[in-house]
Amino acid sequence: AQSVTQLDSQVPVFEEAPVELRCNYSSSVSVYLFWYVQYPNQGLQLLLKYLSGSTLVKGINGFEAEFNKSQTSFHLRKPSVHISDTAEYFCAVKNDYKLSFGAGTTVTVRA
Amino acid sequence: DAGVIQSPRHEVTEMGQEVTLRCKPISGHNSLFWYRQTMMRGLELLIYFNNNVPIDDSGMPEDRFSAKMPNASFSTLKIQPSEPRDSAVYFCASSPTSSIADTQYFGPGTRLTVL
Repeated sequence: AQSVTQLDSQVPVFEEAPVELRCNYSSSVSVYLFWYVQYPNQGLQLLLKYLSGSTLVKGINGFEAEFNKSQTSFHLRKPSVHISDTAEYFCAVKNDYKLSFGAGTTVTVRA
Repeated sequence: DAGVIQSPRHEVTEMGQEVTLRCKPISGHNSLFWYRQTMMRGLELLIYFNNNVPIDDSGMPEDRFSAKMPNASFSTLKIQPSEPRDSAVYFCASSPTSSIADTQYFGPGTRLTVL
């Protein structure tokens, strides 16, 4: 079975500071990894995904993530956050059609 | 292009009543998913349809829950009778195909409150 663990449930950060959200996965087969963002009272929106190839994946809104097979990690980063990045972020691993989500990390950006 | 459309956005009902949630997937997508989001259990897959056929309903909590997809542009999730523990946000998502590489696109969700 595949699963993900998001290591931080809440991350407070000041505007224009960098942020890193940690995600570790467990899988016995090839992995397909995703990061989604959920803004308040909205659905989930894809930030980026790793399928194969380059381990550094760039997504929307200035986010990027690095796939590290040896550490079974897929951490999400942004060098400078905005107030509008306040949201919940979900890491997910996909097996066939099924997405398995982590518990989520709430990012609160303060001025 | 319109994304995944869900209705209603909010539903408040009393215990024992029937609840029907509706979803219109993105046109041309052949895979549809229903998820439930709660504080306790996070995001859970309830059921997966491919080409209007239910493929995996192992996540449906119990017989009170049922889902249908009568055509490629419409799906329903029904709870009868509803219970307070069914209170959650229910998301519908669709993807172009069932490929592992495909992105699932989520609707805005229906927030269900059962009193």
